[in-house]
Amino acid sequence: TQLLEQSPQFLSIQEGENLTVYCNSSSVFSSLQWYRQEPGEGPVLLVTVVTGGEVKKLKRLTFQFGDARKDSSLHITAAQPGDTGLYLCAGLKETSGSRLTFGEGTQLTVNP
Amino acid sequence: ETGVTQSPTHLIKTRGQQVTLRCSSQSGHNTVSWYQQALGQGPQFIFQYYREEENGRGNFPPRFSGLQFPNYSSELNVNALELDDSALYLCASRVDRVSYEQYFGPGTRLTVT
Repeated sequence: TQLLEQSPQFLSIQEGENLTVYCNSSSVFSSLQWYRQEPGEGPVLLVTVVTGGEVKKLKRLTFQFGDARKDSSLHITAAQPGDTGLYLCAGLKETSGSRLTFGEGTQLTVNP
Repeated sequence: ETGVTQSPTHLIKTRGQQVTLRCSSQSGHNTVSWYQQALGQGPQFIFQYYREEENGRGNFPPRFSGLQFPNYSSELNVNALELDDSALYLCASRVDRVSYEQYFGPGTRLTVT
């Protein structure tokens, strides 16, 4: 059973389009992180959200943590080919110490 | 770059063999976690080391073991390799065991034939 469900699993769009990736769970997380991973490399941390309802912006990327701290979304505005990669959400639960639980990822391809 | 390094970058082993993977954490970080990432999946937590002691373990059998050294570098050892152990093995370091943010190395790609 996957604790964190990401959708969509694959996304192929044209440069300039907007997109949203979702990360959902039935469990409450004390914090949630988003990572981007390129082939042959480790995940790179993009953002950490901690407070329910929190919204963080990183240039064209907007991250939101659900009010109940069970879900999160990543919205990219005017996607560029450089945004191509595997986007992973990962949650920390208070009861599991510092163990990160990852979703299965969303593979994003932005075509020029 | 995150400052976390791993070696080797690639490794091919035969079923039944043993393997040791190495990780050097970012300067000032005393906590290291290891993850297994199978192709097309998100990373799965193996275990974490804090100040040279195991500090949390995921659903992996005892043939997965580790060490952390006084300089906070770490090793992951896998005995009796199975075909399903083929994966990207990632280590991640954090400032301490309660900090939110951790930084990943580039991983070691292990292929078991």
